[in-house]
Amino acid sequence: LAKTTQPISMDSYEGQEVNITCSHNNIATNDYITWYQQFPSQGPRFIIQGYKTKVTNEVASLFIPADRKSSTLSLPRVSLSDTAVYYCLVGDRPGAGSYQLTFGKGTKLSVIP
Amino acid sequence: KAGVTQTPRYLIKTRGQQVTLSCSPISGHRSVSWYQQTPGQGLQFLFEYFSETQRNKGNFPGRFSGRQFSNSRSEMNVSTLELGDSALYLCASSLNSGVAFSYNEQFFGPGTRLTVL
Repeated sequence: LAKTTQPISMDSYEGQEVNITCSHNNIATNDYITWYQQFPSQGPRFIIQGYKTKVTNEVASLFIPADRKSSTLSLPRVSLSDTAVYYCLVGDRPGAGSYQLTFGKGTKLSVIP
Repeated sequence: KAGVTQTPRYLIKTRGQQVTLSCSPISGHRSVSWYQQTPGQGLQFLFEYFSETQRNKGNFPGRFSGRQFSNSRSEMNVSTLELGDSALYLCASSLNSGVAFSYNEQFFGPGTRLTVL
């Protein structure tokens, strides 16, 4: 059961700002929204996490509207090294006392020189 | 602070054999989760261990099992290997269990690439 929906792929030129939007219509009240980045043959790397409004760190910004049914990851001035798969996740509680992260297909970002 | 380490990095086995993978979490982290990643199915949650107890289990057959030791190190075992078990197995550690804390950053290791022939 898909918890999140995001575009399969995106292309961008170097130096541009990239915005990847993720929908999570059934997000639970106490769930955070987390984004991970993964390079080939490596484990995912945490990028940013938020609950509502806007969160910014040294690598990205996360915009979350008031209804929390979607979120947008913003990568400023991308470079070739930002080419990776980006995953949007929310918590998943398949049963009482259980919690897991469910990864979707992710968005494959290709940065073009 | 050292990151999550996984051993071995690469492994080749034949069908029917069994395999044990090891994961050392970041110092101080008590939760270890395991994931399987394949080109077709993507990243799938296997199970989570917290304080030596399995807290969560994904939708995998009983051939997949794990355990956690008192120092939080974890092992994953796959018995009676099948061709379809060829995958990148990732371990992730976090400070607390996601069951209790929704804000719970997971730190992933580099993975173990298992090839079943």
